[in-house]
Amino acid sequence: DAGVIQSPRHEVTEMGQEVTLRCKPISGHNSLFWYRQTMMRGLELLIYFNNNVPIDDSGMPEDRFSAKMPNASFSTLKIQPSEPRDSAVYFCASTSQWTSSHEQFFGPGTRLTVL
Amino acid sequence: DAKTTQPPSMDCAEGRAANLPCNHSTISGNEYVYWYRQIHSQGPQYIIHGLKNNETNEMASLIITEDRKSSTLILPHATLRDTAVYYCIVRVGAGNTGKLIFGQGTTLQVKP
Repeated sequence: DAGVIQSPRHEVTEMGQEVTLRCKPISGHNSLFWYRQTMMRGLELLIYFNNNVPIDDSGMPEDRFSAKMPNASFSTLKIQPSEPRDSAVYFCASTSQWTSSHEQFFGPGTRLTVL
Repeated sequence: DAKTTQPPSMDCAEGRAANLPCNHSTISGNEYVYWYRQIHSQGPQYIIHGLKNNETNEMASLIITEDRKSSTLILPHATLRDTAVYYCIVRVGAGNTGKLIFGQGTTLQVKP
């Protein structure tokens, strides 16, 4: 099992540019979560999907952020336009309704730097 | 949402048991306690969870007080590789759509 796959692993961009982060959940998992981690705010849940449908996006900081899950094996988190304060590590996690623990499996993260 | 309180840091000698405390005094009757850890800058990793009873798996043991207002994660024989930030979380919501609200966690330093 390859685990949760995120790309790119590192992204450096300039303020105002569009950034797209990608996530492939573990095959068979039906819930997907996007988190952001900074020194100041720790790990924050941004949005999560169940069966490809967004369930709770209350953690999305503002309209510059959007997330999609067009199918069960792919999700994107887009920031447009990006700002320096968006610099953080973005994690994607997935879980399955069939596991009794409902543990979330996290990907390696994407380290985003906005200059 | 139920909040958790953890000490910011702890030390433990290699080979000894590490006992990490957590307070969750506002936990509701159907809310689970989860523990995750994050090693360096990797993604968080699930350790264990419980509702009322004590739990044990290959990684750790979880002791939950009878009133459920606090719990302790026990790593029976800590190794240097257990150095990490440990998060105690009360999961909000049921099933696989339950939300994990991470706090600041406890940084455990295992020393030789």
